Amino acid sequence: GIQVEQSPPDLILQEGANSTLRCNFSDSVNNLQWFHQNPWGQLINLFYIPSGTKQNGRLSATTVATERYSLLYISSSQTTDSGVYFCAVGNTPLVFGKGTRLSVIA
Amino acid sequence: EPEVTQTPSHQVTQMGQEVILRCVPISNHLYFYWYRQILGQKVEFLVSFYNNEISEKSEIFDDQFSVERPDGSNFTLKIRSTKLEDSAMYFCASFFNSGGKLFFGSGTQLSVL
Repeated sequence: GIQVEQSPPDLILQEGANSTLRCNFSDSVNNLQWFHQNPWGQLINLFYIPSGTKQNGRLSATTVATERYSLLYISSSQTTDSGVYFCAVGNTPLVFGKGTRLSVIA
Repeated sequence: EPEVTQTPSHQVTQMGQEVILRCVPISNHLYFYWYRQILGQKVEFLVSFYNNEISEKSEIFDDQFSVERPDGSNFTLKIRSTKLEDSAMYFCASFFNSGGKLFFGSGTQLSVL
């Protein structure tokens, strides 16, 4: 089955810093989504981005489908950005990576 | 934004007991999923359901598990005889179509004692 690798596994940022999270995947897919899992365990859909670039406030994402990777950019990080960020890819069903655990400290 | 609703939010059960986790997908969605997440680990696919039947299942989804759509709105996951290792957060999710955005419910935290 499809393999999904996320890096880095853990990230600690000072509030206000920028960061880039990466997702590599092993096969061609027609669906890629980024999720944020908050401290209460909820999975919040950030982007549906099988290709191209999207922006939503301080977050943006880029997927280069031909090279099988996606990037999630977080700018001017805030403590509320803390949590685990998952990339999920596939055709159906979506396969999740192991996530990047982000801690933003004041 | 429309929501996927899951009940209960927490369920505690004794090993060997049956549990039913309930989900109300978004009303016009056609594809339904159950995923689970053991504490501190990644989110794992269990089963997908389309057109009133299972379309795909993982190796985790053994004979102890079953899914049902008993009416036009509910989607349930049943675990017949729970084991300690079934303790996890169980997420329901739905798509309008398989290439679109997947919406997750808030999850049911299952604790098997």
